[in-house]
Amino acid sequence: GAGVSQSPRYKVTKRGQDVALRCDPISGHVSLYWYRQALGQGPEFLTYFNYEAQQDKSGLPNDRFSAERPEGSISTLTIQRTEQRDSAMYRCASSLQPGLAGVGASTDTQYFGPGTRLTVL
Amino acid sequence: DAKTTQPPSMDCAEGRAANLPCNHSTISGNEYVYWYRQIHSQGPQYIIHGLKNNETNEMASLIITEDRKSSTLILPHATLRDTAVYYCIVRGGGGGKLIFGQGTELSVKP
Repeated sequence: GAGVSQSPRYKVTKRGQDVALRCDPISGHVSLYWYRQALGQGPEFLTYFNYEAQQDKSGLPNDRFSAERPEGSISTLTIQRTEQRDSAMYRCASSLQPGLAGVGASTDTQYFGPGTRLTVL
Repeated sequence: DAKTTQPPSMDCAEGRAANLPCNHSTISGNEYVYWYRQIHSQGPQYIIHGLKNNETNEMASLIITEDRKSSTLILPHATLRDTAVYYCIVRGGGGGKLIFGQGTELSVKP
């Protein structure tokens, strides 16, 4: 498909296990973003990449969370030693460019994937 | 990035215009106003953005006040499928994270 894809769509794991969430951005998109969304809340920024370089990881809640995008395309968000409070929808987005090419351009429009619903028991 | 304030919920009759307000009194000169919406459990969807001039596209119109401290998103003929949470976001044009607030939950009723 032409959109952002994420896998798995649903993940149930036991407390203490590690999980890896995958994001496949739209082909050719330079920027890739990870967000987390709790029920009834807006998405919360975690981290983002331009190509393979991690530009901002200020939203990662603690050192159990990490992300990589080694070849500038697919990205993996890893949560080590999961806790129940990590349960949420994890959303990935990509944009053609990091910023606006001009006032009338929409090169920084973020296209969101369907998300991975993580449940930690 | 500047903070935004939106009403938590609004109702609109199907076929009528939906006018969604947003206050962003601390916006700086190089920051843009973006609108995204989220329908039920789907991912957020871009609607429109602007700097200081009014903007219109196939989805909506964006009216920004002259002092840029507030804006209004207009859906000219709301349909039931426009029922969603609408987020007003202020951000620089250099890219990076979107900071989503609580948004406005718009209910379009028949």
